[in-house]
Amino acid sequence: NAGVTQTPKFQVLKTGQSMTLQCAQDMNHEYMSWYRQDPGMGLRLIHYSVGAGITDQGEVPNGYNVSRSTTEDFPLRLLSAAPSQTSVYFCASSFRSESLHFGNGTRLTVT
Amino acid sequence: AQSVTQLGSHVSVSEGALVLLRCNYSSSVPPYLFWYVQYPNQGLQLLLKYTSAATLVKGINGFEAEFKKSETSFHLTKPSAHMSDAAEYFCAVTSTGNQFYFGTGTSLTVIP
Repeated sequence: NAGVTQTPKFQVLKTGQSMTLQCAQDMNHEYMSWYRQDPGMGLRLIHYSVGAGITDQGEVPNGYNVSRSTTEDFPLRLLSAAPSQTSVYFCASSFRSESLHFGNGTRLTVT
Repeated sequence: AQSVTQLGSHVSVSEGALVLLRCNYSSSVPPYLFWYVQYPNQGLQLLLKYTSAATLVKGINGFEAEFKKSETSFHLTKPSAHMSDAAEYFCAVTSTGNQFYFGTGTSLTVIP
């Protein structure tokens, strides 16, 4: 079982560049979400989706866009990267209120 | 609004000693509560979850947690620490299943 797959694992960007973090799940989960993890701050929700065509903002959505065209995929777009977006990003999926299944993360550095 | 507070960002225990990691939550509705573990350079893995059945929840690797509504707590325990338990532990809460709120984490060190 692949579960939740995130690509790339590592990325270095320059300020102002754009990129897309990819997330795919093969469990037919309705719910998908993106978190960022920063030292001492735990995981903070960026955006989430409860199904194809439906997205909503979490705690820290500024500077990030998402779309959900299929059940399987939930990409996260950084439109103009800033050093404050240096973080580890995790994608997670779940079925209703069941537990979250996490990917292995993308470590992003913005210089 | 919901939130989770984990007391103690770092906890050290001797191998074989009791592990106690604290989690308090706030929620205006009955919550679902979770404990996750994160090993270095990995994603989070589910240890256990409370979903309004038994208040004492048993998880993997010998961990368990007790839901205490009167104290709004969901502390994680393990009777005897093992070296392999060294990791970061996160408590999380959701009431809707749409937004999960995580604590800031507790790093557990096990001293041989």
